[in-house]
Amino acid sequence: EVQLVQSGAEVKKPGESLKISCKASGYIFTNSWIAWVRQMPGKGLEWMGIIYPDDSDTRYSPSFQGQVTISADKSINTAYLQWSTLKASDTAIYYCAKWSAAYSSGWYSYFLDVWGKGTTVTVSS
Amino acid sequence: EIVMTQSPGTLSVSPGERATLSCRASQSISSKLDWYQQKPGQAPRLLIYGASTRATGIPGRFSGSGSGTEFTLTISSLQSEDFAVYYCQQYDNWPWTFGQGTKVEIK
Repeated sequence: EVQLVQSGAEVKKPGESLKISCKASGYIFTNSWIAWVRQMPGKGLEWMGIIYPDDSDTRYSPSFQGQVTISADKSINTAYLQWSTLKASDTAIYYCAKWSAAYSSGWYSYFLDVWGKGTTVTVSS
Repeated sequence: EIVMTQSPGTLSVSPGERATLSCRASQSISSKLDWYQQKPGQAPRLLIYGASTRATGIPGRFSGSGSGTEFTLTISSLQSEDFAVYYCQQYDNWPWTFGQGTKVEIK
C-alpha cells in the first residue's frame, strides 16, 4: 500500500525554527515528485512547492519562495518542510502528497493521488 | 499566476439530486485540471484528473468535463458521503493553483 506518513502536531513560538517530515512507503520514492500544500484555519488549499527526491530538484510557489525550505533524504524515503523563523501566520495544516502521472490518449495527466494525513503547526506566543 | 475561480461558494442540495460545480481559469489551461474532495478533518482526495478521468475507486456518479477556461464537476445523484468541499486545481502553468473551493451542503 502506498502511504505517506507525516510527523506529529507541533506547537511553537514565533521566531523558532521547525522541520516537519513526510515518510513514503509502498512505492519507489525517487520516481515521483512530492508536493507540500498548506491549509490555513478554515481556508482553502495552497500549493507551496514540489521536490523530486532523486536529484532534489525543487520548485517553490512564489508566495513561499524564501519563506520555507523543502528537502528530501532518499536514503530514508523522507521529504521535509522547514522554517528558520516561524511567524503566527504559519499556523496551518501542512499536507504532503505524491505527484503522479498517467498516460492516456497521447498525453500525460498529472495529479496528487496519495496524501498524508497532515501536520498541524500552531505558532503562538 | 493562473487564478482559478470556483462557483458557487456554497451549494445546497438534497440527497439524490444532481450537483453541478463550476471552475473557471483566468487563462486557457487545456485539460490540465484536477478535482479534489475534502471532508472535515480529512486530507483531500483525488476525484478527477485531466479534466474528465475518474481516479481509481471513484464512483461513476462523479464526472468532469470542460477544457480551456471552463470546467464542470457533476455529481449525478448526491449521496450522504458526498457532502464536502470540492477544489479544482490547474497544472498547466507553474505555480500550480487551486480554486477557493465549493462547499456542498445538505439542503
